[in-house]
Amino acid sequence: SQTIHQWPATLVQPVGSPLSLECTVEGTSNPNLYWYRQAAGRGLQLLFYSVGIGQISSEVPQNLSASRPQDRQFILSSKKLLLSDSGFYLCAWSVRDYEQYFGPGTRLTVT
Amino acid sequence: AQTVTQSQPEMSVQEAETVTLSCTYDTSESDYYLFWYKQPPSRQMILVIRQEAYKQQNATENRFSVNFQKAAKSFSLKISDSQLGDAAMYFCAYTGTYKYIFGTGTRLKVLA
Repeated sequence: SQTIHQWPATLVQPVGSPLSLECTVEGTSNPNLYWYRQAAGRGLQLLFYSVGIGQISSEVPQNLSASRPQDRQFILSSKKLLLSDSGFYLCAWSVRDYEQYFGPGTRLTVT
Repeated sequence: AQTVTQSQPEMSVQEAETVTLSCTYDTSESDYYLFWYKQPPSRQMILVIRQEAYKQQNATENRFSVNFQKAAKSFSLKISDSQLGDAAMYFCAYTGTYKYIFGTGTRLKVLA
């Protein structure tokens, strides 16, 4: 069966520090991968998606970036965090146009 | 551009009663998928039900069913025999290609 892992679960970082959130998927090949951000009590904002290794599409211009070094690994990064980067980050995977499956999320607080 | 609208920020239902959550969408595509996701306080996103646009028959999963009106671009979720565990945020979502568009969510409260 397929599983998706996301870590860390919780992160507190000072403004200006770097960020690296990791997401890995098991049990499937060549998945589409996604990063979302969710502000408290709000909907999901699509940040990045990838349909293959090295293929990254950005939806929202910001100081975040994403990389896909391996087929089932998706990394969200920042060189310098802003206060506005605080939120709940969700990684998800899908195959073609079918339903997305989400990881448990990372709660990021920038202080 | 595709959009998904959930006009009910919050709904309440008495335990064991039925509630319907509304969702409308806009698209020029003919082939697409629609979903309802549940997000409990743990914030784990859980798929509730999905509907393929080419299927006229409404999808059903146990106590959850949808009313899919393609011409009206409406996709509502009906929860029958509501349970305390149904209390959560519910998100309607659309996909036609690689991108998924989510609504702003409806918070469902279940009253004992």
